[in-house]
Amino acid sequence: AQSVTQPDIHITVSEGASLELRCNYSYGATPYLFWYVQSPGQGLQLLLKYFSGDTLVQGIKGFEAEFKRSQSSFNLRKPSVHWSDAAEYFCAVGRMNTGFQKLVFGTGTRLLVSP
Amino acid sequence: EPEVTQTPSHQVTQMGQEVILRCVPISNHLYFYWYRQILGQKVEFLVSFYNNEISEKSEIFDDQFSVERPDGSNFTLKIRSTKLEDSAMYFCASTQGPPIYEQYFGPGTRLTVT
Repeated sequence: AQSVTQPDIHITVSEGASLELRCNYSYGATPYLFWYVQSPGQGLQLLLKYFSGDTLVQGIKGFEAEFKRSQSSFNLRKPSVHWSDAAEYFCAVGRMNTGFQKLVFGTGTRLLVSP
Repeated sequence: EPEVTQTPSHQVTQMGQEVILRCVPISNHLYFYWYRQILGQKVEFLVSFYNNEISEKSEIFDDQFSVERPDGSNFTLKIRSTKLEDSAMYFCASTQGPPIYEQYFGPGTRLTVT
């Protein structure tokens, strides 16, 4: 069965510093990978996705992620964090089932941004 | 920009009562989903729905749960007899379907069972 591991429960980054959030997945075929962000009391907003092709994908709000098949990883990065980036970040893997995408989520990483 | 909407934003109910959570997916989307997130835990898949049928459901989605698309716009999740452990945030999501795989999530309904 597919699974997603986000090893960091909390991360604190200074404003303006770079950020990397880790995500490892387990999936038997080519995965569909996603990063979502959840601000307090809000729903899930899609940051970026990987389906195929270029392994470095760009998303909204200046985020990017790199798919590394050899490491089963899809880490999220941002070169310079803003205070408004403080939120919970979820990595998810999609499994195709006759056209349906059941998403399996990781446990999330809470990002705190210090001044 | 089109978005998924959910009502109510917060529902408080007593154990044993029935609740219906409502969702309006994006209008040209064909595949619909419910997920839930118990406080402090990860988001979990409940059920997927297409062409007026359940296509897949998780082990969480037992006989107490049902889904329906009663008209061309709404997508509902019913819990027949709520339990304390049903307290969670429930998210609706929709997608156009292949080759577009992004799921767009609503803001969620927080269900509190007392």
